[in-house]
Amino acid sequence: NAGVTQTPKFRVLKTGQSMTLLCAQDMNHEYMYWYRQDPGMGLRLIHYSVGEGTTAKGEVPDGYNVSRLKKQNFLLGLESAAPSQTSVYFCASSYSFDRNPYEQYFGPGTRLTVT
Amino acid sequence: GEDVEQSLFLSVREGDSSVINCTYTDSSSTYLYWYKQEPGAGLQLLTYIFSNMDMKQDQRLTVLLNKKDKHLSLRIADTQTGDSAIYFCAPNTGFQKLVFGTGTRLLVSP
Repeated sequence: NAGVTQTPKFRVLKTGQSMTLLCAQDMNHEYMYWYRQDPGMGLRLIHYSVGEGTTAKGEVPDGYNVSRLKKQNFLLGLESAAPSQTSVYFCASSYSFDRNPYEQYFGPGTRLTVT
Repeated sequence: GEDVEQSLFLSVREGDSSVINCTYTDSSSTYLYWYKQEPGAGLQLLTYIFSNMDMKQDQRLTVLLNKKDKHLSLRIADTQTGDSAIYFCAPNTGFQKLVFGTGTRLLVSP
């Protein structure tokens, strides 16, 4: 049982480049989330998904797109990276009927630097 | 929306008790979580409290909830150097959504 995994662990992009971050979970969770973590600002929700084929905006969605084509995967895309998107990105998942309500399980994070 | 406030830093000596405080604004939160983040890692659930409880004890951890003041605290007894980490308070806001505080960096010195 791997839990929540994220690919890649590190990435450096030049301004204007694009990339996709992959999140996978093997817990059959319905909900998945993408957060960014910046110093002194805690975690801020970018986008989330309440089930396969659905996505919704979080607190800071601008500059990001997401897709959830399969229940176990949640992709975060940056179409044209900007230095303001330098951050650590965390994926999380939650909610299956036999688990503690609302508890979110986190991946190890992706450290992205945009130069 | 929900605002969650925490102090940024706390420094204690090994063996002392640590108390990390959190204030929040959404009185409808039903579950309030504490997560721990060790250096270079993701967040892991430490403990949680249901909103109809005032206190929850879990080994060295004690969670206190004052719903009237919307104040949550985490006490770590006999703090060890391995407890050095960032601690996040996270009340739920709506179904399956959490709002995270800024995190409190706990530094434990020998």
